[in-house]
Amino acid sequence: NAGVTQTPKFQVLKTGQSMTLQCAQDMNHNSMYWYRQDPGMGLRLIYYSASEGTTDKGEVPNGYNVSRLNKREFSLRLESAAPSQTSVYFCASSERTANQPQHFGDGTRLSIL
Amino acid sequence: AQKITQTQPGMFVQEKEAVTLDCTYDTSDPSYGLFWYKQPSSGEMIFLIYQGSYDQQNATEGRYSLNFQKARKSANLVISASQLGDSAMYFCAMREGYYTGRRALTFGSGTRLQVQP
Repeated sequence: NAGVTQTPKFQVLKTGQSMTLQCAQDMNHNSMYWYRQDPGMGLRLIYYSASEGTTDKGEVPNGYNVSRLNKREFSLRLESAAPSQTSVYFCASSERTANQPQHFGDGTRLSIL
Repeated sequence: AQKITQTQPGMFVQEKEAVTLDCTYDTSDPSYGLFWYKQPSSGEMIFLIYQGSYDQQNATEGRYSLNFQKARKSANLVISASQLGDSAMYFCAMREGYYTGRRALTFGSGTRLQVQP
C-alpha cells in the first residue's frame, strides 16, 4: 500500500546548488504531477505528465525541469536553487479518467538558504 | 481572476456540530470536476469527496457532503457531526476539461478548521 512515494522528506540547500526530487507510484497511473505549496496558498502546479513520454508546464514552471523516467517515476530537478523555491513539494498521480482523484505523496520540505 | 475562492481562512466549530466550508469557482468549461482534500498538521493530502459538473445529485461520502449549486458556481463542503480529528486545512480544487483537458487540479487557498471540545 505504498501509493506515491517521495524522497527525500526534508532537504536544505544553499543558493545555486542543484538537486532532484524523486517520485514513484505503484498504482499503475498514467498521469503524474508536481505541485508546490507555499504558506497561505493552495498547491500550484509546476509540471505534469499526462502519460509516459510526455511532460507539460504548469502554472509555475520557471526554475524547474522534470523527467518522466517510466510509467512509475516522475522526477523534479532544481538546476540552480533560489530562496524563492523554498516550499513544500508534492508529487501526485491519477488515472486518466477525469472523475478519479489525485493521490498525493507525503511531500518534500525544501529549504534554500 | 481566481479560479477557486475559499473566503474563510479559518473556522471554529464545536464537536458534534455540523460545519460548512465555502468554495466558489470560476470556469467557462461546461465539463469540470470539483474535489475536496483534507490536509492535517502532519502534511499529507487526503481526498474527501468529488462532484462532477454533470452529476445530478450532490455527492456524499460518510460524514462529508457537497452542496453543489451549479448556477451560483459554488461547491461547499458540509461536515456533519464534527470530530476532533477533523481539525485540519481543507482545500477545494477544480479540474477543467472533463473529457479532453489536462488532469491537473487548481486549488483554492484553503480553510483551516478547528474543532473545539
